[in-house]
Amino acid sequence: AQSVTQLGSHVSVSEGALVLLRCNYSSSVPPYLFWYVQYPNQGLQLLLKYTTGATLVKGINGFEAEFKKSETSFHLTKPSAHMSDAAEYFCAVTPNSGYSTLTFGKGTMLLVSP
Amino acid sequence: DTGVSQNPRHKITKRGQNVTFRCDPISEHNRLYWYRQTLGQGPEFLTYFQNEAQLEKSRLLSDRFSAERPKGSFSTLEIQRTEQGDSAMYLCASSRQPSGKTDTQYFGPGTRLTVL
Repeated sequence: AQSVTQLGSHVSVSEGALVLLRCNYSSSVPPYLFWYVQYPNQGLQLLLKYTTGATLVKGINGFEAEFKKSETSFHLTKPSAHMSDAAEYFCAVTPNSGYSTLTFGKGTMLLVSP
Repeated sequence: DTGVSQNPRHKITKRGQNVTFRCDPISEHNRLYWYRQTLGQGPEFLTYFQNEAQLEKSRLLSDRFSAERPKGSFSTLEIQRTEQGDSAMYLCASSRQPSGKTDTQYFGPGTRLTVL
């Protein structure tokens, strides 16, 4: 069975500071990995995904994530936080076998202060 | 693409009543998923369809829950005899899945159910 652990239910940063949201997964095989963002009372929007190939993945809104197999991690970063980045972020995994149901972490709420 | 749409956006009901939600996927997306999200948690898988076939159901989907996708387009999720524990956001997602590959799921805005 797969699982996702997101360290920190809340992360606070100042506007302009580095954003680092942590995600570790447990899987018997390297999975496909996703980051989604959810704004209040809205559905989930895909930020980026890793399937195969380059381990550093760039997404929308200046976010990127790096797949590190040895650390079973897929941390999300952004060099400079913006107030509009305040939202909840979810890491998710699915086996790379065509079975595509997503297993989500519990989410990390990103708070951005001026 | 107009995106995944869900109706209603909000539903308040009394315990014991039945409710039905509708999801319209992105056109030509052959897979459709239902997830449930409770406060402070990530979405949890309920069930999914490939075209009109319901291929998998989570153990979270008790016998009070039923989902259909009769013509392989829109889907409905019905909850019978609602309980307060059913209060949650119900999310629908769709994807265009070539055989043997995993594709990206696009989510709708969700239906927030409150059971009084």
